[in-house]
Amino acid sequence: GQSLEQPSEVTAVEGAIVQINCTYQTSGFYGLSWYQQHDGGAPTFLSYNALDGLEETGRFSSFLSRSDSYGYLLLQELQMKDSASYFCAVRAPMNRDDKIIFGKGTRLHILP
Amino acid sequence: EAQVTQNPRYLITVTGKKLTVTCSQNMNHEYMSWYRQDPGLGLRQIYYSMNVEVTDKGDVPEGYKVSRKEKRNFPLILESPSPNQTSLYFCASSLGENGELFFGEGSRLTVL
Repeated sequence: GQSLEQPSEVTAVEGAIVQINCTYQTSGFYGLSWYQQHDGGAPTFLSYNALDGLEETGRFSSFLSRSDSYGYLLLQELQMKDSASYFCAVRAPMNRDDKIIFGKGTRLHILP
Repeated sequence: EAQVTQNPRYLITVTGKKLTVTCSQNMNHEYMSWYRQDPGLGLRQIYYSMNVEVTDKGDVPEGYKVSRKEKRNFPLILESPSPNQTSLYFCASSLGENGELFFGEGSRLTVL
């Protein structure tokens, strides 16, 4: 089967750094994406890693290790507005098409 | 403005009464998909479409139909809704190259 595992909840303090891990098990792999979803809102795209290494976009960074089937999202200088759910998603080949498979999401709580 | 538009945003209906949730995107994306989101289960794919007249089942297609007669539109049809289809539904579209999905604002459906 195909599955993605990420922690259900993470708590961190405003101004700190937090890492949200994602491990995946899929038959085939093109890349790993991260999405943010605030309560009542739609998921919004944060990043995509197709190759090993760290991609940085402002306060957010995303890392991928294809050999370990593992990635993480790193959020620095946490702000209260970063309180949200974060989903990892794998893009993988499926028959003749691509498929995007989502993890169940990590709820990030930020304490003042 | 680039966007994915879903309608209705909120709907309460009764078991067995056919309904359609419309989805339209103005980005000329070939890939479109429907997801349902339930607490603790993340985003589960219902159906997807790689292009006009090409649709395929996702992970939870039972009880749903879709069509893709035009590139911009991808309606979700519930022929005979049941209470277990009460959920938050998201339509999304993508160029399909890097896994970046653009989501609509969501449609909250309640089936009594």
